[in-house]
Order: sequence, then structure tokens, then C-alpha cells
Amino acid sequence: QKEVEQNSGPLSVPEGAIASLNCTYSDRVSQSFFWYRQYSGKSPELIMSIYSNGDKEDGRFTAQLNKASQYVSLLIRDSQPSDSATYLCAVRTGGAGSYQLTFGKGTKLSVIP
Amino acid sequence: DTGVSQDPRHKITKRGQNVTFRCDPISEHNRLYWYRQTLGQGPEFLTYFQNEAQLEKSRLLSDRFSAERPKGSFSTLEIQRTEQGDSAMYLCASSPSSGSFHEQYFGPGTRLTVT
Repeated sequence: QKEVEQNSGPLSVPEGAIASLNCTYSDRVSQSFFWYRQYSGKSPELIMSIYSNGDKEDGRFTAQLNKASQYVSLLIRDSQPSDSATYLCAVRTGGAGSYQLTFGKGTKLSVIP
Repeated sequence: DTGVSQDPRHKITKRGQNVTFRCDPISEHNRLYWYRQTLGQGPEFLTYFQNEAQLEKSRLLSDRFSAERPKGSFSTLEIQRTEQGDSAMYLCASSPSSGSFHEQYFGPGTRLTVT
């Protein structure tokens, strides 16, 4: 059973702080990793993708990947109340030729003004 | 540039009825995916098409579920003899086949309530 684990939260941070969201995965052959943001009652919105070990930055978001530890994280700098949402970690599993994503249950982030 | 669209957005049906949902992917995307999401859970993969070919199916896709993408454009997901456990958000996503990232973009979803 391929699994993706996230702390369900809620994670509360003050406005302007750095929010750190973590995810671990069980399938060692996983190659592609994604972070989605989901507001209550809405569908997931892709915010970051990462494929290589290390950091990838996009605006206030930084994704970090460590394949040896099977760990991927998302940092949100200068957190804003509009960042309050559930953040879903997704991993492309199933090996070559498979494109299905396995999602974690999500971490609920609350940014306190 | 239009995103993924789904219709209807909401569906209420009685147990035992059949329902059909439609998904129109982003126009240049030839891969299309269906997922199901229940409250407090992440989306769960159901099935995947590349053009008109259905290439992957989850064990979650029981015999009561069928999906089609007859001309490689829009797709339909049909649930026969609905059960209360089918109540969920049904999400469609699409991705391009070119490029190395195959990022999936989701539509707004169809929320199904079975009474």
C-alpha cells in the first residue's frame, strides 16, 4: 500500500511568520511530488511541484525534497490570512507509465491576523 | 484560457438511481483523470485516460462505476445503482503529455449526495 502521510493539524501561525508543512511517503520509486492548496468547499489548486532533491522556490513558497529520507516539505514565507487552507501533499506513484497521484489527508493551516 | 470544467456542480439523487457526470479538460491536455474525495480525506484516484484509452483503473472503481472518453476530448463518469457511500466530491483533472512534469490541474468538482 503506497502511503503519503501528513500531520492533519491544525497548524496555526501568526501573520508574517513562516509556515512549515511536512509530508512523508512510502514508495521509494516515487519521482514526482506536488503541493496543492484547497480552500473549504473548493477543489485542489496546484501551487508547487518538485522532482529533484533540494529546494525549489516560487514567490513566497519553497518546496524541499529529500528522497533518501522520503520527505517533502513546503515552506510559506510571510504567511497571510489568505493562505489559510488545507495543503495536500501528492506523490506520483505506481512506477513508469503510471500517472496516478496518491494524496495525503492534508494539513489545515490557519494564519492568525 | 479556460480551465477544467465539470457538470453538474451538484447532484442530489436517491439511492439506487444512476448518475452521470461530465468533465471537459483543458483543451491542449490529452490526459484526463478522475478522483473521488470524501470529507477530511485527500482525493483518491479512480481512473486515467490518455486520449480515448483508459490506461489505469483503481480497485475503488467497482463494477457500478464506468468512465468513458469516446473521442479523446470530454469524459463521462457514470455510477449505477448509487449507494449512500458514493456521496463524495468527484474531481476531474487533466495534464499535458508533453514536457516532463505532467502536472495535474483540477476542475471545480461535482458534489454528489445520495439520500
